[in-house]
Amino acid sequence: QKEVEQDPGPLSVPEGAIVSLNCTYSNSAFQYFMWYRQYSRKGPELLMYTYSSGNKEDGRFTAQVDKSSKYISLFIRDSQPSDSATYLCAMSAYQAGTALIFGKGTTLSVSS
Amino acid sequence: EPEVTQTPSHQVTQMGQEVILRCVPISNHLYFYWYRQILGQKVEFLVSFYNNEISEKSEIFDDQFSVERPDGSNFTLKIRSTKLEDSAMYFCASSARGKVEAFFGQGTRLTVV
Repeated sequence: QKEVEQDPGPLSVPEGAIVSLNCTYSNSAFQYFMWYRQYSRKGPELLMYTYSSGNKEDGRFTAQVDKSSKYISLFIRDSQPSDSATYLCAMSAYQAGTALIFGKGTTLSVSS
Repeated sequence: EPEVTQTPSHQVTQMGQEVILRCVPISNHLYFYWYRQILGQKVEFLVSFYNNEISEKSEIFDDQFSVERPDGSNFTLKIRSTKLEDSAMYFCASSARGKVEAFFGQGTRLTVV
């Protein structure tokens, strides 16, 4: 079983839609959860960071972690064409200095 | 805003040659990383570096690879005797003291021919 699974999409939505992106994982030791955005042939850009379970909101973005289900989500409200990118979830069992384990990424396309 | 910078942006090398990929991490960060992403695949961890030594490495990071912090600002990844399958985007990242969130550079696209 793969450690982190993420539906690769592509996911196509109209401008203004609410987008839900998800990852599941198998390692119950993961405690630190991140979402990155990656444009084509560019480096991952950190969007959200969450520790353990719960919700975190930042502008149009909300990250949710459900450790009991080993399931994390990123919601994007009022999606914009500029949100079109690949969204990567990443997670780690330990604090600084250790490996982030990434999902494969979901490609999102927002049409105007 | 501080950022991780990587050079070169694209490197083409012949199979069997050695390459050095260079990175300047964010200045007050203490943890440094290399990741790679083969086209169409996941971002994969290679190695982390702290206090002038490797703190963790993946099974990908074999004797072909080495890392170095030659001075106070640069962090390098050396790949000896490159193979076709080493062709990938290589990302440098760094994180601050006590922080797990890593900030990534724009990557070096390595093409082995």
